[in-house]
Amino acid sequence: GAGVSQSPSNKVTEKGKDVELRCDPISGHTALYWYRQSLGQGLEFLIYFQGNSAPDKSGLPSDRFSAERTGGSVSTLTIQRTQQEDSAVYLCASSLEWTPSYEQYFGPGTRLTVT
Amino acid sequence: GENVEQHPSTLSVQEGDSAVIKCTYSDSASNYFPWYKQELGKGPQLIIDIRSNVGEKKDQRIAVTLNKTAKHFSLHITETQPEDSAVYFCAASPDTGRRALTFGSGTRLQVQP
Repeated sequence: GAGVSQSPSNKVTEKGKDVELRCDPISGHTALYWYRQSLGQGLEFLIYFQGNSAPDKSGLPSDRFSAERTGGSVSTLTIQRTQQEDSAVYLCASSLEWTPSYEQYFGPGTRLTVT
Repeated sequence: GENVEQHPSTLSVQEGDSAVIKCTYSDSASNYFPWYKQELGKGPQLIIDIRSNVGEKKDQRIAVTLNKTAKHFSLHITETQPEDSAVYFCAASPDTGRRALTFGSGTRLQVQP
């Protein structure tokens, strides 16, 4: 079946602009996760959703970052007033249940470059 | 919160040799430890995981060991092949509180043919 998809695959934006990143999880997966991966670094957890609610937003780097999920499916990560330090690959993952011991399936990521 | 450290950052082996990657974690509440493989341009993919009630788990050429007392776990790949070349990440998580994975910084494995 279809895996996790993300769009766009690449995004180049000017400093100060807003961007929206989209994640389509695997159908039926109740949990959805966003991570950020800077060049040569590990994955930094940003936020997760159980259904449409996000119980813990403390991983978001600043108040310029926000995320929402609608219909228990698609999620968007929005970065307002982008800064150069926001440049990274943003990865989305979904899992059947909201427990880490359920395998997380990752999408290919969106590479964001802020110029 | 949890902190996961991973070593080495790069590892080069000859085809057919074994490769070992080690991770330590800080939160004694962590009880789930997956390993992910990430190929260039792709998202990470789970290759093996272990829970705290088990000391070792094997799947063909891949094995993971866990020492809860010392708070460290390791990935062992035997009979390495060129297609094993990738970046490998360890991670840890509790099943309570913030149920999100904390990842290590990754190991770039290069298998020389």
